[in-house]
Amino acid sequence: EVQLLESGGGLVQPGGPLRLSCAASGFSFSRFPMSWVRQTPGKEMEWVATISGSGESPYYADSVKGRFTISRDNSKNTLYLQMNSLRGEDTAVYYCAKSAYGGIIEYFQDWGQGTLIIVSS
Amino acid sequence: AVRMAQSPSSVSASIGDRVTITCRASQGIKSYLAWYQHKPGKAPELLIYAASTLQTGVPARFSGSASGTSFTLTISGLQSEDFATYYCQQYYSYPLTFGGGTKVEI
Repeated sequence: EVQLLESGGGLVQPGGPLRLSCAASGFSFSRFPMSWVRQTPGKEMEWVATISGSGESPYYADSVKGRFTISRDNSKNTLYLQMNSLRGEDTAVYYCAKSAYGGIIEYFQDWGQGTLIIVSS
Repeated sequence: AVRMAQSPSSVSASIGDRVTITCRASQGIKSYLAWYQHKPGKAPELLIYAASTLQTGVPARFSGSASGTSFTLTISGLQSEDFATYYCQQYYSYPLTFGGGTKVEI
């Protein structure tokens, strides 16, 4: 059974950094691209970033490019999202999501339960 | 970026009803369209991919169809566990984009 468990959320001041982690189990982690998707307080879903199974070829939404970095440690079956220069509009529930197959642009077959980030002073 | 216009934003329905949700893409995305169900506090769940292929384990009352750049999710015979918010998502090109969501409520 695929399990994705996010951690690292919380309250952070504007301009501050935060790192999210997603611990994966139940599948061959290094074979699958992984992504971060967020749900805003207005309930909109927004794709944030995707990284290939090898850790190369990251893709980012324009809204986070240059501020967020997606990475992975395949030896630890863990996905990360380093977030810098956080803004109020980054407030959201952040989900870790697994691609269905090995392609770099796919739908999301499995999701974690999310971790909440609130950016506020 | 491909924009996904989802409608309606909410729908009131009763057990046993047929519910139809539509997503229109701002440009051609072939059949690279997925539908998800999301309940508060839970992980979103994949219902349909490739516009009309039912994910394993999803009840057959859920179905998807496509016509050009218009995509439809139909729930035939609404059950109590189907009250949730539904999202479409295109995976034809980056940036990946979602519809605004449809809340199905009593």
